[in-house]
Amino acid sequence: DGGITQSPKYLFRKEGQNVTLSCEQNLNHDAMYWYRQDPGQGLRLIYYSQIVNDFQKGDIAEGYSVSREKKESFPLTVTSAQKNPTAFYLCASSFGVNYGYTFGSGTRLTVV
Amino acid sequence: DAKTTQPTSMDCAEGRAANLPCNHSTISGNEYVYWYRQIHSQGPQYIIHGLKNNETNEMASLIITEDRKSSTLILPHATLRDTAVYYCIVRVAGSNTGNQFYFGTGTSLTVIP
Repeated sequence: DGGITQSPKYLFRKEGQNVTLSCEQNLNHDAMYWYRQDPGQGLRLIYYSQIVNDFQKGDIAEGYSVSREKKESFPLTVTSAQKNPTAFYLCASSFGVNYGYTFGSGTRLTVV
Repeated sequence: DAKTTQPTSMDCAEGRAANLPCNHSTISGNEYVYWYRQIHSQGPQYIIHGLKNNETNEMASLIITEDRKSSTLILPHATLRDTAVYYCIVRVAGSNTGNQFYFGTGTSLTVIP
């Protein structure tokens, strides 16, 4: 079955460490996105990519980095520069303009 | 970008229709209205979208007013599994920021047994 997979589901990180969240899709979607969600709040866009080897900053890109070397994969690295990284991270993909999103099940990151 | 306004929370009795309103008074002609829902600690799920005409699928109906300044998502027979946060989104089309969806805080729907 086609879908979008995020791993791991839960992740713990010590302060000062970088951590990478995985996002893989087999939907043949061109565009991929990373969102962050804090308790009781909506989703905020971190980064997005419309095609391979290209990506753009969203509203809250500081402290995060991404790569898009393959169409299927869009990993997100939470760097030590991110001051408040504890959150629920959601990855999504779409065919692009005029199409809706398919979301993954999310990764809950906790800094300990 | 058009903004949307939704009530913070709503209750609905199980088996009854749930009508979730959304105001989008600044919507422009080429912007679609999308609805997603998010069950606790899961990724949002697409429900339905529309431009001008009313739309219906196996999950819900979308009623858009003639002036397109508001819409209503209708879950015809709400079940306990429909308890979720519902997001009404107006999609930014053709901007240089890509095909983004702006998710606000949505409406928290609680279906009561």
